[in-house]
Amino acid sequence: KAGVTQTPRYLIKTRGQQVTLSCSPISGHRSVSWYQQTPGQGLQFLFEYFSETQRNKGNFPGRFSGRQFSNSRSEMNVSTLELGDSALYLCASSLVRGEDTQYFGPGTRLTVL
Amino acid sequence: GNSVTQMEGPVTLSEEAFLTINCTYTATGYPSLFWYVQYPGEGLQLLLKATKADDKGSNKGFEATYRKETTSFHLEKGSVQVSDSAVYFCALTDNTNAGKSTFGDGTTLTVKP
Repeated sequence: KAGVTQTPRYLIKTRGQQVTLSCSPISGHRSVSWYQQTPGQGLQFLFEYFSETQRNKGNFPGRFSGRQFSNSRSEMNVSTLELGDSALYLCASSLVRGEDTQYFGPGTRLTVL
Repeated sequence: GNSVTQMEGPVTLSEEAFLTINCTYTATGYPSLFWYVQYPGEGLQLLLKATKADDKGSNKGFEATYRKETTSFHLEKGSVQVSDSAVYFCALTDNTNAGKSTFGDGTTLTVKP
């Protein structure tokens, strides 16, 4: 079974632009969560989607948003990029909501110049 | 809220040395505990997990035991290899906060030949 896939793997943007990252969960998995990883803050939870609805949200500004499609694929969007948004963005999937184990993708490395 | 504390790193060992990485946690509810490993430029790989007190998770020679009385989940390996060099993250999920993993800060392990 294929793992979690994320596209693109690398992205370079400039301040003020917006960006969309994509995540395809493991086949059959219906819950998708997003995390931001930076050297200073470590791994921080952004949000979780299940059945096309955001179910849980971390402490990030409204510039960070996401959505989930009927096939469980998810996208996250960051608007008005800031230098501090440079990070590795990780997507994780689990079979159902409340399943304890999350499986992570390789991440998208976003650099904001 | 939930939190995970890992021993401060980095850790440098010689090949075939014994490894311990300490992890303690604070959680509401009944958490499941995990160790993830991250190799340079990659996402998180699930190394092992334990879902209830006194459970032992094991994989690839690594072990960790869920100790409820000491709220700990220390990672051990009897004989490390150069290929074990990576960053190790302790994490938890609990049923009161579905879709969200809480991570420690990570411990960088370097194994020298």
